[in-house]
Amino acid sequence: LAKTTQPISMDSYEGQEVNITCSHNNIATNDYITWYQQFPSQGPRFIIQGYKTKVTNEVASLFIPADRKSSTLSLPRVSLSDTAVYYCLVGDGTAGNKLTFGGGTRVLVKP
Amino acid sequence: DAGVTQSPTHLIKTRGQHVTLRCSPISGHKSVSWYQQVLGQGPQFIFQYYEKEERGRGNFPDRFSARQFPNYSSELNVNALLLGDSALYLCASTREPHEQYFGPGTRLTVT
Repeated sequence: LAKTTQPISMDSYEGQEVNITCSHNNIATNDYITWYQQFPSQGPRFIIQGYKTKVTNEVASLFIPADRKSSTLSLPRVSLSDTAVYYCLVGDGTAGNKLTFGGGTRVLVKP
Repeated sequence: DAGVTQSPTHLIKTRGQHVTLRCSPISGHKSVSWYQQVLGQGPQFIFQYYEKEERGRGNFPDRFSARQFPNYSSELNVNALLLGDSALYLCASTREPHEQYFGPGTRLTVT
């Protein structure tokens, strides 16, 4: 399974855009990239998933360059409630759909 | 639609005891995975079941076991509890092929 590397923490302010970049240099051809958000003592919440180029939904955008060795989660106009840990994961959906979580990025949104 | 549900919410057990945790997946999802999350770390994969068959197993001792029922709900069993088993236990169901949705978790405290 491809290993991911993300910043340990990031600070931002309300109303700003937050971009979190994840490195996954040994991503495999069949791997998808998925981002989760987690608040303390709660289960991770699925944010977005993509394979290549750009994916956008109602809460975030995911940018994936052509070589797929990194990806960037973009959170537009964050609010205080977006303070959470964000995890980037890669996996191929087979082999038991095993997700390997890294340490995640702790995002703190300030007023 | 209801999300993934888990019971109980919280549980306190004594070392050496046995515990059973329960999970009901999102309607229509046939796959259930279990994760252990120790405080301050990302979730660690324990098991995945699909159509009642084990499809993946993480690096956990044989004290951990699980099963899936015909209605796709699942149980995680842990025998001979150790203090180190204290964690948030998460269940996730999969919208095939790749999207996993997590429940709120069961907080297990072993004293």
